[in-house]
Amino acid sequence: DGGITQSPKYLFRKEGQNVTLSCEQNLNHDAMYWYRQDPGQGLRLIYYSQIVNDFQKGDIAEGYSVSREKKESFPLTVTSAQKNPTAFYLCASSLTSGSYNEQFFGPGTRLTVL
Amino acid sequence: QKEVEQNSGPLSVPEGAIASLNCTYSDRGSQSFFWYRQYSGKSPELIMFIYSNGDKEDGRFTAQLNKASQYVSLLIRDSQPSDSATYLCAVNRGRDSGAGSYQLTFGKGTKLSVIP
Repeated sequence: DGGITQSPKYLFRKEGQNVTLSCEQNLNHDAMYWYRQDPGQGLRLIYYSQIVNDFQKGDIAEGYSVSREKKESFPLTVTSAQKNPTAFYLCASSLTSGSYNEQFFGPGTRLTVL
Repeated sequence: QKEVEQNSGPLSVPEGAIASLNCTYSDRGSQSFFWYRQYSGKSPELIMFIYSNGDKEDGRFTAQLNKASQYVSLLIRDSQPSDSATYLCAVNRGRDSGAGSYQLTFGKGTKLSVIP
């Protein structure tokens, strides 16, 4: 089955630690995205990537880093510089040509800082 | 930054009624519009998308778009308790925003409750 997987589902972090969230897709999509969602809030874009080895900052990139070494994978690192990292993190992917680029989401990772 | 506005709700409708969800957007360059359904604790699921003015129907769902008024809506006919969720409106960013046109701006969502 084609889809997007994220791991882990739940993640607990102590203050001062970096953590990496995994996102993998087998939809052959070019673009991948990371969003965070806080209670009662919409999705806010952290980083996005149109193509392997290239990525751009979204609206709230401070305290986060990403890599795109493979088309299928777009891991997100939440660094200790992120002041309020507790949130629901969502990875998405889409095509970037031909269609109108509907984005499809993975199941999410819920990060809690202890 | 361009915005997408939705009433937060909750919007309560009786089972079998029509639920009407509304969304306005500020970016006149936007060309594609999406509705996502998000159950509590889950990730968003794409249910409808629309690109042209007018109506688009898919089963019990109808998306309506009016670009002149910068307004998009979602109608759910014969509402079921299983439709109870938060509905997110998303709009692509126009070219003059400096972003790729495939980037989306999301509203905060409208919580729908269908009462049996």
